[in-house]
Amino acid sequence: EPEVTQTPSHQVTQMGQEVILRCVPISNHLYFYWYRQILGQKVEFLVSFYNNEISEKSEIFDDQFSVERPDGSNFTLKIRSTKLEDSAMYFCASGKTGMNTEAFFGQGTRLTVV
Amino acid sequence: QKEVEQDPGPLSVPEGAIVSLNCTYSNSAFQYFMWYRQYSRKGPELLMYTYSSGNKEDGRFTAQVDKSSKYISLFIRDSQPSDSATYLCAMRNTGNQFYFGTGTSLTVIP
Repeated sequence: EPEVTQTPSHQVTQMGQEVILRCVPISNHLYFYWYRQILGQKVEFLVSFYNNEISEKSEIFDDQFSVERPDGSNFTLKIRSTKLEDSAMYFCASGKTGMNTEAFFGQGTRLTVV
Repeated sequence: QKEVEQDPGPLSVPEGAIVSLNCTYSNSAFQYFMWYRQYSRKGPELLMYTYSSGNKEDGRFTAQVDKSSKYISLFIRDSQPSDSATYLCAMRNTGNQFYFGTGTSLTVIP
């Protein structure tokens, strides 16, 4: 069964460093998302991406964050100048179309900023 | 007022029991309603989704949406220990942003 895969599973970085979280969405999906979940809190939307551009973003997704689909298979989230409060699980998700409410989530990358 | 409210539990039931999980919401524009299951330190796994009001059944799971009351439910029949997880409700309007509840932690005791 096709699935969304994320790498690495755990990333430890020093405060102020840049990190890139990687995702391989399901191959025939066109809509891509990043969510995060701070430990003990709810899953929060960051950004959606379609047709090589951001279609929607939340207040959390400020200039510190950027997304990219560098090739036909990868979807990345870059966090510049990481802060302690960026420590969270980051989930990538993908869906077939914008009208398809089903989004399939990856296993997540645990980011720890020290 | 929070967009989506969900009782965090924890909820503990004996094996075979019927489980009822619920969420309320404030945004009347929400049209799509989902239930996800999340095991510890794993990504959310889609269980069911419904569009607008009504019921949807899939095996032991039944999802109900009452838009007039802004209330959604997930029922699990004949609950199994493998159902032990956190259950997240999520919803959206016509946009792409999903709004999640905080999740209800369920334990099914053998």
